[in-house]
Amino acid sequence: DVKVTQSSRYLVKRTGEKVFLECVQDMDHENMFWYRQDPGLGLRLIYFSYDVKMKEKGDIPEGYSVSREKKERFSLILESASTNQTSMYLCASSPHTYEQYFGPGTRLTVT
Amino acid sequence: QQQVKQSPQSLIVQKGGIPIINCAYENTAFDYFPWYQQFPGKGPALLIAIRPDVSEKKEGRFTISFNKSAKQFSLHIMDSQPGDSATYFCAASRDAGNMLTFGGGTRLMVKP
Repeated sequence: DVKVTQSSRYLVKRTGEKVFLECVQDMDHENMFWYRQDPGLGLRLIYFSYDVKMKEKGDIPEGYSVSREKKERFSLILESASTNQTSMYLCASSPHTYEQYFGPGTRLTVT
Repeated sequence: QQQVKQSPQSLIVQKGGIPIINCAYENTAFDYFPWYQQFPGKGPALLIAIRPDVSEKKEGRFTISFNKSAKQFSLHIMDSQPGDSATYFCAASRDAGNMLTFGGGTRLMVKP
C-alpha cells in the first residue's frame, strides 16, 4: 500500500513566519507534488519535482519554495506566511505513470 | 484561468439515484482524464480514469462518458449509496507522471 504522510494535520502560524510543510512517501516514487485546495477552485499545483534536487513551478508558485534533498521527502516552504495562504495543502507522489497518491493534507491557518 | 471546468459545485440525490457530474476542458493535448474521490479528512484517491480513444469506461457502479469532439467528460454513479457522499474532482493531464489540472470539485450528498 502506498503511503504518503504529511508532518501536520493542522497548523496555525502568524503572518510573516517561515513555515515548513513536510511530505514523505514510502514507495520510491520519482514524482512528488504540492497542491493547495480551496473551495470552488479545486486543487491547484504549486510545485512538483521529478527527481532529487529537481523542481518545476506549477500554476501558483508565488510566495512558495520547495526542497527535495532525498527521493522520499518533499518540503514546501512559505518564506513569509500571509493570510491569503490560509488553505489546505496536499502532497502527492507518483511513479512514471499517471496516477497520483495523495497524503491526508495539512490545514494551515495564518493569522 | 481554469482549464478544466466542473459542474455542478454541489449535488444532492436520494439513495438509488444517478448523480451526474460534468467536466469540460480546453486543451486538446490532454490525453488522460481521471476522477478523484475525496472523503472528509482524507486526501483525494483515484476512482476511475479514461483515455480519449474510448467513449465510455465502467468500473462497478462508476461510469465515465467521454465526448472528444465536444471536449467534455462526465461521471455517472449508478445506484448511488450514502457511502458515495464525498467530493469528486475531475482532472486532465497530457504527460504520464506529469501535472494534473483539476476541476473545481463537486460536493455530492446521497440521502438515505
